[in-house]
Amino acid sequence: AQSVTQLDSQVPVFEEAPVELRCNYSSSVSVYLFWYVQYPNQGLQLLLKYLSGSTLVKGINGFEAEFNKSQTSFHLRKPSVHISDTAEYFCAVTKTGTASKLTFGTGTRLQVTL
Amino acid sequence: DVKVTQSSRYLVKRTGEKVFLECVQDMDHENMFWYRQDPGLGLRLIYFSYDVKMKEKGDIPEGYSVSREKKERFSLILESASTNQTSMYLCASSFVHRNYGYTFGSGTRLTVV
Repeated sequence: AQSVTQLDSQVPVFEEAPVELRCNYSSSVSVYLFWYVQYPNQGLQLLLKYLSGSTLVKGINGFEAEFNKSQTSFHLRKPSVHISDTAEYFCAVTKTGTASKLTFGTGTRLQVTL
Repeated sequence: DVKVTQSSRYLVKRTGEKVFLECVQDMDHENMFWYRQDPGLGLRLIYFSYDVKMKEKGDIPEGYSVSREKKERFSLILESASTNQTSMYLCASSFVHRNYGYTFGSGTRLTVV
């Protein structure tokens, strides 16, 4: 089975500052990794995914993440955040191959202020 | 625009009532999922279905059942609602053979009083 740890439950940051949201996973098999964003009172929206190939993955809204197999991490970064990035962010993992159920982390609340 | 539609955004039900949460997708996805979301616990899988009339238990199936009579529709049933089932319920769908990730509905916030 796979598991995901998001160490930071909340991350406060000023507008235009850089941000990193941390995600570590555990698995005995190869994995696919995902980041989702949830704006208030909405469902989850896919930000980016790592399936194979380049370990640096670019997503929507200027976000990117880097897959690090040796450190079993998939941290999410943005060089300059905006007020509109305030949301909850979820990291998720599944085993490779045929699409199966995702296991989610507990989420990180990103709070951007002026 | 492709989507997953959950029939209700907000529901208030009484303890002991039978509750139906409906989810419909128009993307011809094989997989469908029901999660519940609680603060500090993230998303926990209740049930999922990989084909019509097929279902598998997730991590927290107790007190819930599901029905999938048609490919596009996946229903979550609370047989006898209890206050500890007050939560946000999220439906999602995906392809089996293409790992594009899930598409989520907007969620149903259920309050059991």
